[in-house]
Amino acid sequence: SQQGEEDPQALSIQEGENATMNCSYKTSINNLQWYRQNSGRGLVHLILIRSNEREKHSGRLRVTLDTSKKSSSLLITASRAADTASYFCATGSGNTPLVFGKGTRLSVIA
Amino acid sequence: GAVVSQHPSWVICKSGTSVKIECRSLDFQATTMFWYRQFPKQSLMLMATSNEGSKATYEQGVEKDKFLINHASLTLSTLTVTSAHPEDSSFYICSARGRDYGYTFGSGTRLTVV
Repeated sequence: SQQGEEDPQALSIQEGENATMNCSYKTSINNLQWYRQNSGRGLVHLILIRSNEREKHSGRLRVTLDTSKKSSSLLITASRAADTASYFCATGSGNTPLVFGKGTRLSVIA
Repeated sequence: GAVVSQHPSWVICKSGTSVKIECRSLDFQATTMFWYRQFPKQSLMLMATSNEGSKATYEQGVEKDKFLINHASLTLSTLTVTSAHPEDSSFYICSARGRDYGYTFGSGTRLTVV
């Protein structure tokens, strides 16, 4: 089963612009993670944000978490063509499996 | 860091044959292994969870007799797609979790059944 929705499902932007993707989830969480997947490839872990954190940065990535709204957002600043990929949020901890959102397909046009 | 090696990375097989996919944890003991399936332009859907030495727990709608999962050791889990059909063509990816290790993903296997 999937934890929730991500929007937009697809996003196309020009190189240099910022890209924002949103994720909603349904259950209580200990943390939330964001992954990137290039077409036909495996997953790359981007960032983990804990339930007691509201915002986290890593390079050009900024993640926010609003546990009251059960939502998270991923912002990629100054996007590059190499950022073209699918982005997924995922929740899970302990011995439970990660449950993924539906993902956002990002296209960055040079 | 933790590494999970998944093989093969891609395979083409004839309809009716079986295909085995392996996931090995190279530098940690994978007490739990998760297997996912991903159809084109869709998200990862959990197929089953296996703990070392136990039978796998399958998600609703996943045929356990068709997707055989073996997790006989702490470093190896296999997924066998039996009597594969074209609708089984998909991207299969494993995720291992061990004590003191978070979720580590294999690189995935692209299965094409012709």
